[in-house]
Amino acid sequence: KNEVEQSPQNLTAQEGEFITINCSYSVGISALHWLQQHPGGGIVSLFMLSSGKKKHGRLIATINIQEKHSSLHITASHPRDSAVYICAVSLGGATNKLIFGTGTLLAVQP
Amino acid sequence: KAGVTQTPRYLIKTRGQQVTLSCSPISGHRSVSWYQQTPGQGLQFLFEYFSETQRNKGNFPGRFSGRQFSNSRSEMNVSTLELGDSALYLCASSLEGSGSWDTQYFGPGTRLTVL
Repeated sequence: KNEVEQSPQNLTAQEGEFITINCSYSVGISALHWLQQHPGGGIVSLFMLSSGKKKHGRLIATINIQEKHSSLHITASHPRDSAVYICAVSLGGATNKLIFGTGTLLAVQP
Repeated sequence: KAGVTQTPRYLIKTRGQQVTLSCSPISGHRSVSWYQQTPGQGLQFLFEYFSETQRNKGNFPGRFSGRQFSNSRSEMNVSTLELGDSALYLCASSLEGSGSWDTQYFGPGTRLTVL
């Protein structure tokens, strides 16, 4: 079983829909990261959080440490949001090592 | 500030050859991490360097090695290439290399194809 699990693996939405991507992990973590990868490979860090909730524009990330679960929400989705969204965890200590989920491929149709 | 740069962007090699990939971090960043991305295994941590020292290593064979220079630029080397080494190799830099609070900035990647 992977230490970081994401669902769904694939998601198709209509423009304007509210989208939720889920991430569960089985290890103790110091932080959880949400990353976005567009076709061509470039990865952008969206959020890094260790508790509670963060918001940036139309994106919201939440984490429940007790339940070992995080969600990434996209409000008013747009075709430019189409990308792979990846959940990753840091285990703590003086290291940048990340353990990654398998990613969620999101396609937002106009 | 310029972002993380990686060279070359694309590379084609044959089995048995060796390859060196380069990563220049954001100015002022002291930590560089390397990751391998394949369709089958997804993203996996290769190794991390901080102030010219390897601080952590993933579960990869000894054919994969790296180093960091005094200006924080990093190189990774893969010797005796195998078909399975075909992948996108990403590097990421951060200020201090603490995954708990330090955002990593990723480069565009080097796509390696082994024939």
